Amino acid sequence: DADVTQTPRNRITKTGKRIMLECSQTKGHDRMYWYRQDPGLGLRLIYYSFDVKDINKGEISDGYSVSRQAQAKFSLSLESAIPNQTALYFCATSDWNRVHGYTFGSGTRLTVV
Amino acid sequence: AQSVTQLGSHVSVSEGALVLLRCNYSSSVPPYLFWYVQYPNQGLQLLLKYTSAATLVKGINGFEAEFKKSETSFHLTKPSAHMSDAAEYFCAVSEEGAQKLVFGQGTRLTINP
Repeated sequence: DADVTQTPRNRITKTGKRIMLECSQTKGHDRMYWYRQDPGLGLRLIYYSFDVKDINKGEISDGYSVSRQAQAKFSLSLESAIPNQTALYFCATSDWNRVHGYTFGSGTRLTVV
Repeated sequence: AQSVTQLGSHVSVSEGALVLLRCNYSSSVPPYLFWYVQYPNQGLQLLLKYTSAATLVKGINGFEAEFKKSETSFHLTKPSAHMSDAAEYFCAVSEEGAQKLVFGQGTRLTINP
């Protein structure tokens, strides 16, 4: 099994719908992150969490919310999806004390029509 | 604030030729620097990282990068390109204590036979 698992892998949804992307990890890392990837823009941070009781906004949090249900689970919600939220979404984890960088999931490709 | 600029959104080289992908960073304190690779339909995989030890860092698949403080650069090189190197490459920076990565825009590497 993958260390960081994202579900679903692909999703098409309609404008205005609420959608949740899920991330779970078996790394035992305390830090978890959600990024979105757009062509030519690289990866931009949406939200991050350093433990279950700690949630922080990233640079592009508008229109998104998150929930850290457990150390191993971090979900991203789009409250009312819009077409410009069409992107590739990545969850990542880190054990920062070891400066290992991140471990990434395989991504969720979301299309909002 | 920390930032990363990757020069060239697309780089094309012939098989067997030198690969050079450029990355410049901005950081107010000594940074941690990373290169990640993304193969089609996959997540990001760590190639190498600089964490204030040796300035020449060797990574996986024959890649290496040199940290040059005077030039605020962390360029990625490989002496001889292979077809399997075709992918998108991301440079990322983090300051000690910042605990989150800031990514560049990405460079798509194409290998010509």
